[in-house]
Amino acid sequence: SAVISQKPSRDICQRGTSLTIQCQVDSQVTMMFWYRQQPGQSLTLIATANQGSEATYESGFVIDKFPISRPNLTFSTLTVSNMSPEDSSIYLCSVQDGLGQFFGPGTRLTVL
Amino acid sequence: SQKIEQNSEALNIQEGKTATLTCNYTNYSPAYLQWYRQDPGRGPVFLLLIRENEKEKRKERLKVTFDTTLKQSLFHITASQPADSATYLCALSAGGGADGLTFGKGTHLIIQP
Repeated sequence: SAVISQKPSRDICQRGTSLTIQCQVDSQVTMMFWYRQQPGQSLTLIATANQGSEATYESGFVIDKFPISRPNLTFSTLTVSNMSPEDSSIYLCSVQDGLGQFFGPGTRLTVL
Repeated sequence: SQKIEQNSEALNIQEGKTATLTCNYTNYSPAYLQWYRQDPGRGPVFLLLIRENEKEKRKERLKVTFDTTLKQSLFHITASQPADSATYLCALSAGGGADGLTFGKGTHLIIQP
């Protein structure tokens, strides 16, 4: 199965600032996914990122707030823009292979 | 709207017994279903995937069933151990890898020594 790393593992940010989260996979994958897990909640899909095309966002999520880059088949970034305390969550990237969908360790974001 | 239900109450099981967790869904026709384990502060860990044309899948002490008529999956841990204590998440996908997953809220399992 794919090995996924994320940076940073956690951060504390001020309201109104932006944070970019990096996701690195140890193998080439076509689809990468970004999820959010708010405190005490389950995971919610933010968007699907294909290499070489625009990300596809789920209902309730927009590109201006969560811009995504996918420059190659092993890397993606998610930016959380103009943050508010409501953006405090764990953000996770994941990839799908033939066995299942595998997740990175997550980035714990706290917005003050 | 699509809905995935897992027992939100914590499930307490005595060590050595079989733990059975339930995942029910409505307004959904999943192509496959996945079960994950999540420990506090960590990302979900993939356990098992079962496809819509499969009735049962096993992996070591784990067994998953998938009944598309009842719209239900059961997840069993046999010979449970305190180390099995965690939150277990059910997730569904409609597609063949091109879709993200829709998650249930998870069931918190506690295995008591």
